[in-house]
Amino acid sequence: SAVISQKPSRDICQRGTSLTIQCQVDSQVTMMFWYRQQPGQSLTLIATANQGSEATYESGFVIDKFPISRPNLTFSTLTVSNMSPEDSSIYLCSVELRLHTEAFFGQGTRLTVV
Amino acid sequence: KNQVEQSPQSLIILEGKNCTLQCNYTVSPFSNLRWYKQDTGRGPVSLTIMTFSENTKSNGRYTATLDADTKQSSLHITASQLSDSASYICVVSANAGGTSYGKLTFGQGTILTVHP
Repeated sequence: SAVISQKPSRDICQRGTSLTIQCQVDSQVTMMFWYRQQPGQSLTLIATANQGSEATYESGFVIDKFPISRPNLTFSTLTVSNMSPEDSSIYLCSVELRLHTEAFFGQGTRLTVV
Repeated sequence: KNQVEQSPQSLIILEGKNCTLQCNYTVSPFSNLRWYKQDTGRGPVSLTIMTFSENTKSNGRYTATLDADTKQSSLHITASQLSDSASYICVVSANAGGTSYGKLTFGQGTILTVHP
């Protein structure tokens, strides 16, 4: 299994500012994933964070808005830039230790933009 | 388009009762189907994962079934407890082939509330 530490667990931010979310895994993993979960909705993949290369973004998400870093095999950050109230969501990081096996999730970051 | 549909949207049961949650999917090519439990304010936690050849898998009081022909799955919870109150999410992984990562398609979840 994998233990994922994600922080902050929650934050209230002013519109127009940026927030960086950190995700630390207790083992080395090739790919890490960032999801958004809007209120009452299921998870939507934002991007896949690959170590040593640029993140791969899903349709509707762009690097300027959600820059991602992946400096090593155990750590990644997601920044939510120039925030608006529509960015209020839970953001989760996730890993799969091996392909096609269960995914492990961090506890999530509950972001409220005011 | 790959889709996962869950029913019911929400469910209220009394402690000690059993319940069954449903999941229908149209994901191709299919790799595996997973059920997750998400407590309020927490990330999802895996309950079961089933491949094409498996049609039932248990994890304590949770039993998942899979009918790959009809593309349906169910999650049965036996002798429910107050701590079972959570959102249950059905997730289907697509097979991207070889060593490529298969994208996950998430259902909307069923919110289960267990009352004493």
